[in-house]
Amino acid sequence: EIVMTQSPATLSVSPGERATLSCRASQSVSSNLAWYQQKPGQAPRLLIYGASTRATGIPARFSGSGSGTEFTLTISSLQSEDFAVYYCQQYNNWPLPGREFGGGTKVEIK
Amino acid sequence: QVQLVQSGAEVKKPGASVKVSCKASGYTFTSYYMHWVRQAPGQGLEWMGIINPSGGSTSYAQKFQGRVTMTRDTSTSTVYMELSSLRSEDTAVYYCAASSGWYDDAFDIWGQGTMVTVSS
Repeated sequence: EIVMTQSPATLSVSPGERATLSCRASQSVSSNLAWYQQKPGQAPRLLIYGASTRATGIPARFSGSGSGTEFTLTISSLQSEDFAVYYCQQYNNWPLPGREFGGGTKVEIK
Repeated sequence: QVQLVQSGAEVKKPGASVKVSCKASGYTFTSYYMHWVRQAPGQGLEWMGIINPSGGSTSYAQKFQGRVTMTRDTSTSTVYMELSSLRSEDTAVYYCAASSGWYDDAFDIWGQGTMVTVSS
């Protein structure tokens, strides 16, 4: 099983500032990495797939980078609606279809 | 529009089983594979398994092998997740989520979640 580790667990940021979230895989997942946003009481929403491709309708202030075992999600200028929990997920388990998630990073208002 | 609509909240006693449904609409049912993901209160996301709505084949996370069964009904575009021998640690929100790839794709579409509470 591939273990996904996210850091930090909590990130305190002021509105308008930049947020940088990290995700590390226990072995290479190539670029098969997704990021999701989850707000309280809601289902997760896909933000980024393929490590760096924004999903439909996702604002340009969200960007993803990395490959192999180290990945980053950057929110360039935090808006009020961006305060949420963010999860990374790998999907590079061939021949198994498992999809492990990281433990999440909570982005809170500073 | 494309959506997954799940069944309502459940309260079960330890040792019982629960069956949660997820009805797809707005797309061809067999075009997406369906996953189940759960989230215990205040915790992260945990992948449980996947079903191919076309042929019905499944693959389960090792943790749930022997306790989980995923099925589908193509006539109603609905997938089901049944979890047996429930214990308090199974209290969680259960989500269905769809991907276009069996091995190698993210989850484009999510259901709204179903709260399952296990309590005596």
